Amino acid sequence: AQSVSQHNHHVILSEAASLELGCNYSYGGTVNLFWYVQYPGQHLQLLLKYFSGDPLVKGIKGFEAEFIKSKFSFNLRKPSVQWSDTAEYFCAVNPTGTASKLTFGTGTRLQVTL
Amino acid sequence: KAGVTQTPRYLIKTRGQQVTLSCSPISGHRSVSWYQQTPGQGLQFLFEYFSETQRNKGNFPGRFSGRQFSNSRSEMNVSTLELGDSALYLCASSLSLQRGIRVDTQYFGPGTRLTVL
Repeated sequence: AQSVSQHNHHVILSEAASLELGCNYSYGGTVNLFWYVQYPGQHLQLLLKYFSGDPLVKGIKGFEAEFIKSKFSFNLRKPSVQWSDTAEYFCAVNPTGTASKLTFGTGTRLQVTL
Repeated sequence: KAGVTQTPRYLIKTRGQQVTLSCSPISGHRSVSWYQQTPGQGLQFLFEYFSETQRNKGNFPGRFSGRQFSNSRSEMNVSTLELGDSALYLCASSLSLQRGIRVDTQYFGPGTRLTVL
């Protein structure tokens, strides 16, 4: 069974700082990879996804993620965070070609201070 | 296009009761998945329905069940509620297939917050 690890549980950054959230997965085959965000009081929203092709994917709100197959990683980055990025971020994976069963990481709570 | 809707948004039940939650997927989406979100366990997959059939199942006891109707709407039922069932239950829908290609990006609803007393 696949698993997803997010090693940063709580990250505090000042506005304009750069962000990188780690995500590692364990699965031997090809996977689809996702980052979701949950703003306070709101539902899960898709930030970006990787199915195939260019390993550097760009999402909404200036976020991007890089899939490094050899490291089983899909880290999320943003060059300059804003206060409005305060939220919980979830990495998720499902094996390519399987049904819609996502395995989520435990999430990273990002707090951006002014 | 309207998003995934879930009803009710909040529920309070007592131990031993049963509960039914409802989910309406995005128009045209044929797959509906259910997840349980708790502070301790995070987001865990319950099951997925596609064309009125359960296509995948997580590691939850048989007290958790679901079904899907011909219009793709789905319901989830939990019988004999336990305190530990208190959670946010999320529904997600996906197109599942487009021109024979799997497109499993899931879009989530706001959830139903269930409190078991």
